[in-house]
Amino acid sequence: QLQLRESGPGLVKPSETLSLTCTVSGGSISSGGYYWGWIRQPPGKGLDWIGTLHSSGSTFYNPSLKSRVTISADTSKNQFSLKVTSVSAADTAVYYCGRRAYGIAFDPWGQGTLVTVSS
Amino acid sequence: DIQMTQSPSSLSASIGDRVTITCRASQDIAGWLAWYQQKPEKAPRSLIYAASTLQSGVPSRFSGTTSGTDFTLTISSLQPEDFATYYCQQYNSYPLTFGGGTKVEIK
Repeated sequence: QLQLRESGPGLVKPSETLSLTCTVSGGSISSGGYYWGWIRQPPGKGLDWIGTLHSSGSTFYNPSLKSRVTISADTSKNQFSLKVTSVSAADTAVYYCGRRAYGIAFDPWGQGTLVTVSS
Repeated sequence: DIQMTQSPSSLSASIGDRVTITCRASQDIAGWLAWYQQKPEKAPRSLIYAASTLQSGVPSRFSGTTSGTDFTLTISSLQPEDFATYYCQQYNSYPLTFGGGTKVEIK
């Protein structure tokens, strides 16, 4: 059974870089045809797609964040990661990772990790 | 960007009620729509993809239908475990976008 788990600092200072890792178990991120994504949810608000890494290596980012976001994979560790630069309080959110196949919804999701941006 | 307008934003219903949630896309998304359920402090769970295909393990009381750019999630007989927030999401084109959510509460 595929499982995803987010990890990383829960507190980041304004203007610094947010870095999170999604560790995948029960399957390989190198398996062809899958999309590995990051989604976030500010406290009390809805879901926002951040970006996606396809197994081919292609990346797709939300234009609202594009200049600040990088998603990459470490196949040796079966992980993919998210970096968001120059963070502000607006980046405070629960961050989720998830997998999507072509034509299918995000499933499964990680359990989520809260990142607070504060000095 | 494709805007997903979800309605209502909240509703109150009783056990056994039939509940309908609607999501309207700002343009054609070719049926590439998903519905998710989210309970407090939990990650979203996929219910339906491709507008009407039930995810494995999802009870058959959940169903999805399409009419042009309007998509509907129906719960045929609301159960206690169905009280949650529901989101639609289009995945026809980037950026992927979600509806604003519908909170289903107990009447």
